[in-house]
Amino acid sequence: AQKVTQAQTEISVVEKEDVTLDCVYETRDTTYYLFWYKQPPSGELVFLIRRNSFDEQNEISGRYSWNFQKSTSSFNFTITASQVVDSAVYFCALSDFPMDSSYKLIFGSGTRLLVRP
Amino acid sequence: DSGVTQTPKHLITATGQRVTLRCSPRSGDLSVYWYQQSLDQGLQFLIQYYNGEERAKGNILERFSAQQFPDLHSELNLSSLELGDSALYFCASSAAGRIRSGANVLTFGAGSRLTVL
Repeated sequence: AQKVTQAQTEISVVEKEDVTLDCVYETRDTTYYLFWYKQPPSGELVFLIRRNSFDEQNEISGRYSWNFQKSTSSFNFTITASQVVDSAVYFCALSDFPMDSSYKLIFGSGTRLLVRP
Repeated sequence: DSGVTQTPKHLITATGQRVTLRCSPRSGDLSVYWYQQSLDQGLQFLIQYYNGEERAKGNILERFSAQQFPDLHSELNLSSLELGDSALYFCASSAAGRIRSGANVLTFGAGSRLTVL
């Protein structure tokens, strides 16, 4: 069965600190996709990134970076020089590779990030 | 604005009642997914429709049902409501076609917050 674990329930940092959100996943599939979504206080879910299981290259987008390590089944998310606007709940998610266009996501429980000024 | 429209934004009702939540997917998207977000269960996949047909079913109660209409909008019907059904219900849509073109990236609406008293 597929499972996503985000062990950090809540993280509090001071602005400009770097912070890493952990994500560990379980799947028996060899082909799968990993995602991060952000849920700001306003409540909507915002897509941040998608990675497939064959691409272990780290990715950087501005202050955001992602580290995918198949060996440890982890897909961690780092925010560099955090800002108050980064305060949100962040979800890691997993999707398999179905043949029937059913791309449902299995979400972790989320990590609430609070960035204090 | 994600392009996925959900109505109503907020709904307060009593136990035993029935409600209908509506979702209009992004223009061109054929898949609609329903998720329930509650404090104790997190983000749970309920059901997916693809071009009018049910494609996948998750942890959806028998008291809940959904459908997708020819114009691709979807409705989630919740009946015999219980206090525990209070949650944020999200609709998401995704494009048709290949994963390479983003077919497995779900775009979420702003959610419908249901409160059962």
